[in-house]
Amino acid sequence: SAVISQKPSRDICQRGTSLTIQCQVDSQVTMMFWYRQQPGQSLTLIATANQGSEATYESGFVIDKFPISRPNLTFSTLTVSNMSPEDSSIYLCSVSRGDTEAFFGQGTRLTVV
Amino acid sequence: GIQVEQSPPDLILQEGANSTLRCNFSDSVNNLQWFHQNPWGQLINLFYIPSGTKQNGRLSATTVATERYSLLYISSSQTTDSGVYFCAVEQVRGSTLGRLYFGRGTQLTVWP
Repeated sequence: SAVISQKPSRDICQRGTSLTIQCQVDSQVTMMFWYRQQPGQSLTLIATANQGSEATYESGFVIDKFPISRPNLTFSTLTVSNMSPEDSSIYLCSVSRGDTEAFFGQGTRLTVV
Repeated sequence: GIQVEQSPPDLILQEGANSTLRCNFSDSVNNLQWFHQNPWGQLINLFYIPSGTKQNGRLSATTVATERYSLLYISSSQTTDSGVYFCAVEQVRGSTLGRLYFGRGTQLTVWP
């Protein structure tokens, strides 16, 4: 299994500002994933964070808006830049070794006012 | 990507009742998981079940991979079972290993 510590758990931010979300894993993992859950919706993958290379973004998500860092095999950050109320969502990080169980952080509930 | 459909979208039960949630998926999968999302947004792992049957207390799950569906059974439901239940799968081909595709979820409400 894997234990993931995600911070902050929630935040209320002004539009036009940026928020950086951190995920710390208790063991080394190759792949980390960032998901977004808009209110009342399912989870959508934002990007896959690979250590030592640039993140791979899904259609509809761009690096300028959601820059990701992955400095080592246990840590990643997601920044939500130049926020608008439409960015109000739950953001979750996840790890999986592929072909096995995936684990999620506690989630970050973001409200943009 | 793979399509994941969950039914029913909403379910309202009296405490003590039993229920069955269904997940259909459109392609072969490496991984299938059931999650319960609590009111704070955290996803709680219920089952990792790419095939077969598992039980954990009042909950059990069955996946028939050849027919591309999975069922989650909740027996003797309690108010604490309320929340959203998600099915998520990892596609065998054409996708990043470890990447999950989620259904839209089943919103379960259990009344005392």
